[in-house]
Amino acid sequence: DAKTTQPNSMESNEEEPVHLPCNHSTISGTDYIHWYRQLPSQGPEYVIHGLTSNVNNRMASLAIAEDRKSSTLILHRATLRDAAVYYCIRNNNAGNMLTFGGGTRLMVKP
Amino acid sequence: DVKVTQSSRYLVKRTGEKVFLECVQDMDHENMFWYRQDPGLGLRLIYFSYDVKMKEKGDIPEGYSVSREKKERFSLILESASTNQTSMYLCASSTGGEEKLFFGSGTQLSVL
Repeated sequence: DAKTTQPNSMESNEEEPVHLPCNHSTISGTDYIHWYRQLPSQGPEYVIHGLTSNVNNRMASLAIAEDRKSSTLILHRATLRDAAVYYCIRNNNAGNMLTFGGGTRLMVKP
Repeated sequence: DVKVTQSSRYLVKRTGEKVFLECVQDMDHENMFWYRQDPGLGLRLIYFSYDVKMKEKGDIPEGYSVSREKKERFSLILESASTNQTSMYLCASSTGGEEKLFFGSGTQLSVL
C-alpha cells in the first residue's frame, strides 16, 4: 500500500510550534517524503521534502525517523495563515506522485 | 515562477456530455498529472503522463481518458459525463525524479 496515514485534524495556538505527524510504514528505500499544504479554494502548494536526513527551509522543518517509517512536519511558529490541510505523500522517484491521503486539517487559534 | 493553468475555474455540464478539461504548464516539465478531490477523500490520482503521447493510469482512471499531444498541455476527457464525476479537478506538473509538484488552481466541475 503506497498510502500514508495522518490524523484528520489538529489544533494549534498562534505563535506556538506545531508538529504534524505522518506514518509511511511501507516506504521503500528510494521513496522521498513530500509535504504539501492546501489553503481554502486553492490547489496544493509544496512545503518541503526529504529522503533520510532532516530538512529545513523557510516554511518548515521535516524530521524523518531513523527507520523512515514516519516523519513529522514542524511549523516553528504557527500563524493564522498556516491554517490549511497538510498532506504527506511518498514520491517513488520515478516522477510518479502517488495518491494523496486525506491529509491533516490544521486549525490555528488566535 | 512555474505556472500551471487550468482553462476553467467552474464548469457545469449535463449528464452524457463529452467534457474536456485543459491544463497548460509553462516550465517545460516532463511529468503532468490529473487528480480529483472530493470531501473526505483527499486527492486521488486519475492519470499521469511522463512524456508526450505517454500516459499511465492512476488509482481511479475509470470513466476518464487523457491526451498529451504537446509537452506543455495535458487534457482530461470525460467521454460521457455522469453525476458521480462532479468534483474538483486538479492538474499538476513536475520535472520528475524527486522534484516537487506544481498545481493549478483547480476546476470545479458540476455534472447535472
